[in-house]
Amino acid sequence: QSVLTQPPSVSAAPGQRVTISCSGSSSNIGNNYVSWYQQLPGTAPKLLIYDNNKRPSGIPDRFSGSKSGTSATLGITGLQTGDEAAYYCGAWDSTLSVAVFGGGTKLTVL
Amino acid sequence: QPQLQESGPGLVKPSETLSLSCTVSGDSITTTRSFWGWIRQPPGKGLEWLGTIYYSGITDYNSALKSRVTISRDTSKNQFSLMLTSVTAADTAVYYCARLTSEVTNWGPARYYFNFWGPGTLVTVSS
Repeated sequence: QSVLTQPPSVSAAPGQRVTISCSGSSSNIGNNYVSWYQQLPGTAPKLLIYDNNKRPSGIPDRFSGSKSGTSATLGITGLQTGDEAAYYCGAWDSTLSVAVFGGGTKLTVL
Repeated sequence: QPQLQESGPGLVKPSETLSLSCTVSGDSITTTRSFWGWIRQPPGKGLEWLGTIYYSGITDYNSALKSRVTISRDTSKNQFSLMLTSVTAADTAVYYCARLTSEVTNWGPARYYFNFWGPGTLVTVSS
């Protein structure tokens, strides 16, 4: 069981917008920065968002991140079939002294 | 940006020790304020952080692994390595090495994220 909680799956049509939630506690999301990763099938995860809402170089602005209290949200606009992947949130847990991840959310673009 | 590549046996017997290396190019594992880590992913499951080695050689481990993990480095080869002792079938996973950003203090929000990843290597524990 993951420390951070994500929905197992979400789906939306091409061109639409989708959000993926990540719920934690004050020991992780509530007081630390959140990151998001995209894992295309059969590949390694790739950093998508860091510091709650910043995008590394090369990540399109269709991807956005936000945080409120002990929850974080990844938003993807203008969905493309190439966005079909698993998405993971991550953070440092100050109580456990461990880097923690969500269980992952599989995005299906219908 | 750095390139990372994992290497090591793909099959390990139960109770034995899993050993993997990560070769880094395009960056130095001793670059000031660089951090290098191991993450694993059991088939069909989520990600688990195993541990990190700092540019200084200091290490930090996931306590959930109960002292079975050791991370070391060979600066002459620009490599860092993972050893996991007393493996069981539950240790079957894809193992990734990564370069990460780590800023954990007592006075502000912690930053801990994995910037660049190797392609991963599947290690199966089976007799």
